[in-house]
Amino acid sequence: DAKTTQPNSMESNEEEPVHLPCNHSTISGTDYIHWYRQLPSQGPEYVIHGLTSNVNNRMASLAIAEDRKSSTLILHRATLRDAAVYYCILRDTSGGGADGLTFGKGTHLIIQP
Amino acid sequence: EAGVVQSPRYKIIEKKQPVAFWCNPISGHNTLYWYRQNLGQGPELLIRYENEEAVDDSQLPKDRFSAERLKGVDSTLKIQPAELGDSAVYLCASTSNRHTGELFFGEGSRLTVL
Repeated sequence: DAKTTQPNSMESNEEEPVHLPCNHSTISGTDYIHWYRQLPSQGPEYVIHGLTSNVNNRMASLAIAEDRKSSTLILHRATLRDAAVYYCILRDTSGGGADGLTFGKGTHLIIQP
Repeated sequence: EAGVVQSPRYKIIEKKQPVAFWCNPISGHNTLYWYRQNLGQGPELLIRYENEEAVDDSQLPKDRFSAERLKGVDSTLKIQPAELGDSAVYLCASTSNRHTGELFFGEGSRLTVL
């Protein structure tokens, strides 16, 4: 599976937007970009995923660069409950890659009140 | 709908003792995963099941770790004997589609080996 690069940590203020970057310069055409987050003492949970176009759901937005070599997870209005480790993961859905998810260290997001 | 259920949430044992973790996946999810998460790291895959068959156990330390998924539903992960380095959180996840489906994780079982 292709690898991703994320900052170790980021800090933001409550009620402000947060932009979490992810670089994936070796992404292949069949790789989807997935984001999961892990709240303290919890298992990871799905946030959003996309292939080429920007995506929105109730939790977040995903902005994907035109060349697909980077993406940004956007939390429009961060709350204290959004403090978590955010993982950017490439998932090969062609059937030729490893199944499941390959996690890196992720970005530890700190929200200041 | 109930999520992925794991037990116990916490377990403290002395080294060389055995330990077992149990997982009940979401109903209808044929694919089940066991992950291990060391402190400050992301989860690492140990084993994947398709129904009752272990189809990817290349990362499972087979000298002391074993897993089973009888009847293709619940699964058990066992360590015998435990070593100090086995202290970690053991996470179970399931999905309805191993290629494209969202993975649902349990809360994990935190193991401390003294």
